[in-house]
Amino acid sequence: NAGVTQTPKFQVLKTGQSMTLQCAQDMNHEYMSWYRQDPGMGLRLIHYSVGAGITDQGEVPNGYNVSRSTTEDFPLRLLSAAPSQTSVYFCASSYHNQETQYFGPGTRLLVL
Amino acid sequence: AQSVSQHNHHVILSEAASLELGCNYSYGGTVNLFWYVQYPGQHLQLLLKYFSGDPLVKGIKGFEAEFIKSKFSFNLRKPSVQWSDTAEYFCAVNRLNNAGNMLTFGGGTRLMVKP
Repeated sequence: NAGVTQTPKFQVLKTGQSMTLQCAQDMNHEYMSWYRQDPGMGLRLIHYSVGAGITDQGEVPNGYNVSRSTTEDFPLRLLSAAPSQTSVYFCASSYHNQETQYFGPGTRLLVL
Repeated sequence: AQSVSQHNHHVILSEAASLELGCNYSYGGTVNLFWYVQYPGQHLQLLLKYFSGDPLVKGIKGFEAEFIKSKFSFNLRKPSVQWSDTAEYFCAVNRLNNAGNMLTFGGGTRLMVKP
């Protein structure tokens, strides 16, 4: 199993540009989530999904959209990038919404 | 709102020293508790977890944590640290009465172990 994979590893954007961060898992996990990691703030939940076709907002959803058309994939879209979205983004998955989460390697995003 | 507090942002120890990292949370109901570790340049990995039962849980690499319900705490300990323990450590709390997973992380503690 590849586990949780994320692409790209690094990305530089200009303010106002849009992009999609990809996340995929091959463990047949129902639950998937996106976090952003900022110094001194730990990880904050952006959006999550409890299964295909179902998504919901986390703690810091503004400026981000998600969809879950398949069990495997959970892309995160930045509609109009802002410097405040400079961060490291982690995708995670688990069998159940209360279980241990498995994290991807992260995407480091810089918005100029 | 639920919050998770890690009191030490940076800790510097010499090899063989004992380690204790504090974690407190504010939610009063039933919780699942986790410690994750992030080694330099790597993604988060589970160190240990508490769901129920014995409040003293043992994880990988000699780490352990004790859940003290009355203190809303889940401190991480290791009797003798190694240089390879240099990493950032995150405490996380998950409420059990929430239909969705609102796993809340603490701000993290950066541990540096000097050889």
